[in-house]
Amino acid sequence: KQEVTQIPAALSVPEGENLVLNCSFTDSAIYNLQWFRQDPGKGLTSLLLIQSSQREQTSGRLNASLDKSSGRSTLYIAASQPGDSATYLCAVRPDTSYDKVIFGPGTSLSVIP
Amino acid sequence: DAGVIQSPRHEVTEMGQEVTLRCKPISGHDYLFWYRQTMMRGLELLIYFNNNVPIDDSGMPEDRFSAKMPNASFSTLKIQPSEPRDSAVYFCASSFGGLTVGYTFGSGTRLTVV
Repeated sequence: KQEVTQIPAALSVPEGENLVLNCSFTDSAIYNLQWFRQDPGKGLTSLLLIQSSQREQTSGRLNASLDKSSGRSTLYIAASQPGDSATYLCAVRPDTSYDKVIFGPGTSLSVIP
Repeated sequence: DAGVIQSPRHEVTEMGQEVTLRCKPISGHDYLFWYRQTMMRGLELLIYFNNNVPIDDSGMPEDRFSAKMPNASFSTLKIQPSEPRDSAVYFCASSFGGLTVGYTFGSGTRLTVV
């Protein structure tokens, strides 16, 4: 059974720092992995989608990498800003049940001005 | 496109009352998902549809929960009777086909059962 974990559960950094959020999954048989952002009281906003054949995706200050063999993905945020404060969730779409994604619990990020 | 639209945004109801949540997926998307989010359990998939047909409802917690998708542009999640432990944020998401496309989420309905 696929399980997705995210460590740390919470992270606080000063503005301007580069940071890395981690996502781990137990079964490497995935089709894709998606990173979401959720602001308090809001829905989920898709940030980046990485197909299993890809190693990374970039959007602005965000870079997501995928290492299927080790069951890991990282979300790199460059030059963090207070507006980046939110909860970041990763979601894995397994190969075996490709209609459903499995979400991690999220990392709550606070960027201190 | 206006994205996935959910209504109402907030719902406060008394225990025992029927609650109906609504969702309009993105036009052309053939998959629709209902999720529930709580602090304790995170995001849980309740049920999903493909081409308006329910495919997997194993996440529906009890018989009090039911979902329908009468056409490609509308779905409902009903709770009858509601209980305080149903209080959560309910999200609807849609996607196209497509293993190559990610999900798009609605803004959610915050349900409070008192």
